[in-house]
Amino acid sequence: GNSVTQMEGPVTLSEEAFLTINCTYTATGYPSLFWYVQYPGEGLQLLLKATKADDKGSNKGFEATYRKETTSFHLEKGSVQVSDSAVYFCALIDASGGSYIPTFGRGTSLIVHP
Amino acid sequence: GAGVSQSPSNKVTEKGKDVELRCDPISGHTALYWYRQSLGQGLEFLIYFQGNSAPDKSGLPSDRFSAERTGGSVSTLTIQRTQQEDSAVYLCASSPRGTNTEAFFGQGTRLTVV
Repeated sequence: GNSVTQMEGPVTLSEEAFLTINCTYTATGYPSLFWYVQYPGEGLQLLLKATKADDKGSNKGFEATYRKETTSFHLEKGSVQVSDSAVYFCALIDASGGSYIPTFGRGTSLIVHP
Repeated sequence: GAGVSQSPSNKVTEKGKDVELRCDPISGHTALYWYRQSLGQGLEFLIYFQGNSAPDKSGLPSDRFSAERTGGSVSTLTIQRTQQEDSAVYLCASSPRGTNTEAFFGQGTRLTVV
């Protein structure tokens, strides 16, 4: 089956620090990969995505590169802000079995201090 | 509507009572998903509707849980004889045609069973 594994949180950083949140996946086919963000009190929203190997998704200063050889999609940001404090979810869609149901990781909480 | 709308936003119910949670997807989206978000457990898939196809109910945790989608639009998730372990945030999402594109989430219904 499909699965997504994320690093345990919370991740606590000072403002302007470098962020990495690790994500690895297992899939039967060739999945599309996503990062979603959930700000306090809000629903999940798409942060970025990549649909094939070596693609780089980017948005709001965040980046993630689809690494097929290591089955990874790590999220990075060069300089975090307090407003980036949220829960981040890595996800995949593997349509090889005809299903488009997203599989999510457990989420990683990020806390950024001023 | 502008986004996925869920109601109620909060629901407190007594153990053993039935509850209904409602989801209004984005107009024109044929795919609709229900997830459950428990503290520390990430997003647990419950059920998936795609157009007029039979729903994928493989994630429903017990026969106390059921869902329907009327007219290919509004969906209702029903939990019968609620238990304390049903306490969680129930998230609904929709996407166009159930492809490998992003899912758009509502803000969720927080269910508390006392």
